[in-house]
Amino acid sequence: DQQVKQNSPSLSVQEGRISILNCDYTNSMFDYFLWYKKYPAEGPTFLISISSIKDKNEDGRFTVFLNKSAKHLSLHIVPSQPGDSAVYFCAASASSTLGRLYFGRGTQLTVWP
Amino acid sequence: GAVVSQHPSWVICKSGTSVKIECRSLDFQATTMFWYRQFPKQSLMLMATSNEGSKATYEQGVEKDKFLINHASLTLSTLTVTSAHPEDSSFYICSASIPLGAVLITDTQYFGPGTRLTVL
Repeated sequence: DQQVKQNSPSLSVQEGRISILNCDYTNSMFDYFLWYKKYPAEGPTFLISISSIKDKNEDGRFTVFLNKSAKHLSLHIVPSQPGDSAVYFCAASASSTLGRLYFGRGTQLTVWP
Repeated sequence: GAVVSQHPSWVICKSGTSVKIECRSLDFQATTMFWYRQFPKQSLMLMATSNEGSKATYEQGVEKDKFLINHASLTLSTLTVTSAHPEDSSFYICSASIPLGAVLITDTQYFGPGTRLTVL
């Protein structure tokens, strides 16, 4: 049962434009959400996170938005750069499960010049 | 900070042999480490949660006798794939969470670079 869903397996964006990656979740107990970036044959790299008490968190070019009522979060990258091309994983956790992360299947982002 | 290393980065072994993969937190003490497995173009699948000084907690469907996990210190966890078979070939990744005192207040996990296991 996939509790975290990334319904778009791929996204292609031109350099300089905004990339929007989406993530949906089903478990209302989730209260912490993270985005990871992963290159082939490497471990995921933490990008940005957001607690359920917030609806937005920004770090440089990366902004994560959380809509609790819709159980939806998104990652905005602006401006997109070719080096951003990677697989992006959305993950969620609940305080009750002490650190166990539930991952989506990932979205392959390709930023072209 | 928050660097996690894995060794080896890749390993090829014969069917029936055992392989040990090490996961180390280099600049922090990790009371909890996690082991994941990733198949091509699939999500990260949590195999087990490893707590220092206690037995690992395995996810449903993961054979604890096949995937032995030892978390002997606050900076080292090992995963041993026993009697490896070709279907065990995969990309294994560990991660660690940074605790604050005795309470795990952040769920941010920092991942190692992964280990590519190929069983012939």
